[in-house]
Amino acid sequence: DTAVSQTPKYLVTQMGNDKSIKCEQNLGHDTMYWYKQDSKKFLKIMFSYNNKELIINETVPNRFSPKSPDKAHLNLHINSLELGDSAVYFCASTPATNEKLFFGSGTQLSVL
Amino acid sequence: GQNIDQPTEMTATEGAIVQINCTYQTSGFNGLFWYQQHAGEAPTFLSYNVLDGLEEKGRFSSFLSRSKGYSYLLLKELQMKDSASYLCAVRPTYNFNKFYFGSGTKLNVKP
Repeated sequence: DTAVSQTPKYLVTQMGNDKSIKCEQNLGHDTMYWYKQDSKKFLKIMFSYNNKELIINETVPNRFSPKSPDKAHLNLHINSLELGDSAVYFCASTPATNEKLFFGSGTQLSVL
Repeated sequence: GQNIDQPTEMTATEGAIVQINCTYQTSGFNGLFWYQQHAGEAPTFLSYNVLDGLEEKGRFSSFLSRSKGYSYLLLKELQMKDSASYLCAVRPTYNFNKFYFGSGTKLNVKP
């Protein structure tokens, strides 16, 4: 199936831990994103990469570090997790025309 | 900056028509998008407007007025499966890769 896939689906962890979320797309898109959706369903852009190069960094704490080893992959590493990091994190990609975002199924992160 | 407003929640009856409004203020405009998000799932693309007017796609239509900073999503012949959140998003001219989302409108369709 052609899609944006991210793992894990659920992530439950303690404050202070470090965790990673992985994302892969096989749609041939050049641009990938991380979005955070909070409990009020507000979807906020965090980062974007175009062909492995960081193009958007929306004032996210530097505990969050994205990494794009190639244009089909965009991972998110979070250090020293805090309670406020609890949210659903969505990976997404867009084709060159940028007419729409294709989202992964989301990772629900719960920090206890 | 971006400011996007939508009603928080709406309720409508199966078979009816519902209009979900979105107003926006943006420093430069390069497209307005509507996404549907069912509970616990990813948002999926519904429509895209960059010029004024109505875009129709089956039971769903989206309207844009750039001078008024206003859009609406019109859903006809409502079905129970249309119960979902509807997210309005704006893309600014200064960055073609940015999509700013409103907080979404939760639509409840009742029998």
